[in-house]
Amino acid sequence: GAGVSQSPRYKVAKRGQDVALRCDPISGHVSLFWYQQALGQGPEFLTYFQNEAQLDKSGLPSDRFFAERPEGSVSTLKIQRTQQEDSAVYLCASSFSGGWKTQYFGPGTRLLVL
Amino acid sequence: TQLLEQSPQFLSIQEGENLTVYCNSSSVFSSLQWYRQEPGEGPVLLVTVVTGGEVKKLKRLTFQFGDARKDSSLHITAAQPGDTGLYLCAMIQGAQKLVFGQGTRLTINP
Repeated sequence: GAGVSQSPRYKVAKRGQDVALRCDPISGHVSLFWYQQALGQGPEFLTYFQNEAQLDKSGLPSDRFFAERPEGSVSTLKIQRTQQEDSAVYLCASSFSGGWKTQYFGPGTRLLVL
Repeated sequence: TQLLEQSPQFLSIQEGENLTVYCNSSSVFSSLQWYRQEPGEGPVLLVTVVTGGEVKKLKRLTFQFGDARKDSSLHITAAQPGDTGLYLCAMIQGAQKLVFGQGTRLTINP
């Protein structure tokens, strides 16, 4: 089935490295979300796109985190100068439109910063 | 500050038993969602509750939204090993941002 896909599924980075995480949403879905899930916790909102416009980035923890969706489909979450506290699962979700529409989650990228 | 408190955090029971997990907040929800997340996967939506006092059933799962819309519960009847997972409640904040609780990790032992 054509669900939300994320790559890579696993990423090990040395502290200080830059990483890029990719999300392919369900075709036709207007809205795209990124969440961070620390071990043993629920997901926490990072940022939200409607088409190519980033409408909410209030959850990005620092200016080392940057997200883009230049053509309104695929999105990339970039983390610069990674730190150990960035270790988490990064989840992407998409939905057909705003409001009450269901968010469909990808399997996540597990990032480990050593 | 945790907007949503889930309890218990961990629950391990035998197959066939019943269980209830809870989601509470000091704030009123406009609506609440329950998700199940399995290892290595993203959360999957189980139900959305909107109206105070609302009860929804999904096979052996019963979801209730408190009358004051500040709490919700999930009851599972005759639990099966396939019910094992992380159960998350989430409130919709703003346009559609989800705010999750910390989850209840449920293990059903055969």
